[in-house]
Order: sequence, then structure tokens, then C-alpha cells
Amino acid sequence: EPEVTQTPSHQVTQMGQEVILRCVPISNHLYFYWYRQILGQKVEFLVSFYNNEISEKSEIFDDQFSVERPDGSNFTLKIRSTKLEDSAMYFCASSRLGQPNEKLFFGSGTQLSVL
Amino acid sequence: GDSVTQMEGPVTLSEEAFLTINCTYTATGYPSLFWYVQYPGEGLQLLLKATKADDKGSNKGFEATYRKETTSFHLEKGSVQVSDSAVYFCALSDRGNQGGKLIFGQGTELSVKP
Repeated sequence: EPEVTQTPSHQVTQMGQEVILRCVPISNHLYFYWYRQILGQKVEFLVSFYNNEISEKSEIFDDQFSVERPDGSNFTLKIRSTKLEDSAMYFCASSRLGQPNEKLFFGSGTQLSVL
Repeated sequence: GDSVTQMEGPVTLSEEAFLTINCTYTATGYPSLFWYVQYPGEGLQLLLKATKADDKGSNKGFEATYRKETTSFHLEKGSVQVSDSAVYFCALSDRGNQGGKLIFGQGTELSVKP
């Protein structure tokens, strides 16, 4: 089965630094997503992306966050100035058509630790 | 807003035991309901889904029935195996929401002992 790949698997950074999390969605998928899970809490939706623009974003996705599809294969999440509370597992996902009953394909996540 | 609540984990069972993981939801519309599973070191993957009331989703011996009257989607398996050890996530997608956004519960860790 095709896979979503995420790099790196672990990222450690200092508070205030910028980080970029990278994802390669499945090649014929049109919708891309970022989710995060703070330890012990729910998996939370951050943002969805379609046709080179943000389709929907949550309250968490403030001005410190941005997403980009810099080329035909990568999908990135940038956190401009990291805070301690940004420490979480970040999951990238993609779907073919973005339909409500459609399966999402997830990557294995990037564990971000902000010190 | 829409939300999903799962039973707290971790759940520890012996091999061949019966499994139930409770999931209830709150939604203003008529959501599609999902169970995703995350095996150690891997991403979340779809286990089963149901898109309307009274539908039963099933896969790999797991089942869940969409109960609109109790707003529930409990996951069951008659006889668990060690290989079922994983984290299980209940989720919903609002059918009126084009874009496929999922709302998840907090996940329930299952550990099956031989």
C-alpha cells in the first residue's frame, strides 16, 4: 500500500527557534493535512491544504504556523518561533479527494521536543 | 462543536479475551465514524468505518456499529491476539465538511499478553 513519509522522526529544538517538519504525501492525493498530539491528549487537527492553499485551519494554527508545498512532492509545516507547548507528535496525512467518508493516510509522525 | 470521547487506557488483556473499547460522539450533523489504529513505530491507519446509522464496520475481526440513538461507535473483537497491541483512535468526520477533516478521541492503548 502507498505510504506517507515524514522526516525527521525526532526533532529537538530550543525555544524560539524555527523548525520545519517535512512530509511526502501519496503522489496522486489532492488533500493534505497536519495533526498533532500532545502527550496524553487528543489528536488535534491543525490544517488542511488543497490546490496550493489552506482549505481549513483550527484555532491552534496561528501566525506562528505556516504550510507550504514547495514542489510537486513535499508538504511542509513551519513553526516560526517554537514554544515549550509546541512539544508534540506531529502527523502528516493525505487523502485522494477530501471526501468526508474517505480514508486518510497518515505518516508515522515527527516527535518535536522544544527545550 | 463536534467531539469524540473514548474510554481511558491502557487496557491490558490476555490473549483470546473479548475486547470492547467504548467511543461516544457529539455532532451537530450526521457524521461518518472511524476507528484508526497505530501500531508501534507506525502511522495511524484506518481499521474500519461506518457512514450512516446502524451500519456495521468490520475488519480483521474487529467490529463497530454506528448507534445514532446512543451516539456511540464501540469497538469490539471476540478474541484478541498479541499482534493487536496498539493504540486505537475513534474519530468522526462531519459529512457537511468538504475536506475530510477528522476529529479524534484521545486514543486507547491496548496491550495483549500471551
